Amino acid sequence: AQSVSQHNHHVILSEAASLELGCNYSYGGTVNLFWYVQYPGQHLQLLLKYFSGDPLVKGIKGFEAEFIKSKFSFNLRKPSVQWSDTAEYFCAVNKARQDSWGKLQFGAGTQVVVTP
Amino acid sequence: GAGVSQSPSNKVTEKGKDVELRCDPISGHTALYWYRQSLGQGLEFLIYFQGNSAPDKSGLPSDRFSAERTGGSVSTLTIQRTQQEDSAVYLCASSLGMGLAGPLLIYAFGPGTRLLVL
Repeated sequence: AQSVSQHNHHVILSEAASLELGCNYSYGGTVNLFWYVQYPGQHLQLLLKYFSGDPLVKGIKGFEAEFIKSKFSFNLRKPSVQWSDTAEYFCAVNKARQDSWGKLQFGAGTQVVVTP
Repeated sequence: GAGVSQSPSNKVTEKGKDVELRCDPISGHTALYWYRQSLGQGLEFLIYFQGNSAPDKSGLPSDRFSAERTGGSVSTLTIQRTQQEDSAVYLCASSLGMGLAGPLLIYAFGPGTRLLVL
């Protein structure tokens, strides 16, 4: 069965620090990859996505992620965080197959707290 | 509307009662999904609808859970004889089209319905 692992459940860091959140998945076939963010009191929003092409994808708010197929990873990065980046971050994967495209498999989420 | 809407935003019910949760997808989105987010856990897929095709119900945790989508738009998730373990945030999402084309596979999530079963 496909699973998605996020390495850290909680991350606390100071403003201007760099952020990297790990995400690994277990499915061996072609996948579509996503990072979602949930700010306090708000609903899930798409940060960025990867379907094909350049494995380094850039999203909103200065976030980027790199797909490394050989490592089954899709880590999220931001060079310099702000207090407003405090949120919960979810990695999600779905199989690029017609019978599976509707199912997103989510990681457990990483709660990120940025201190002033 | 501009986004996916869900109602009610919060629901408190007693164990054994039935509840109905509603989702209004983005206009024109043919695919609709239900997910569940339990405390301290990630999101769990429940069911999805695509156009007139039979829904994929493979994620429904028990036969107490059912969902329907009327007229290809609004969807209702029904939980019968609720149990305390059903307490969670139920999220609805919608997306354009079907297929493997990446740009179509953008899920827009609603704000969720927070269900508490006492």
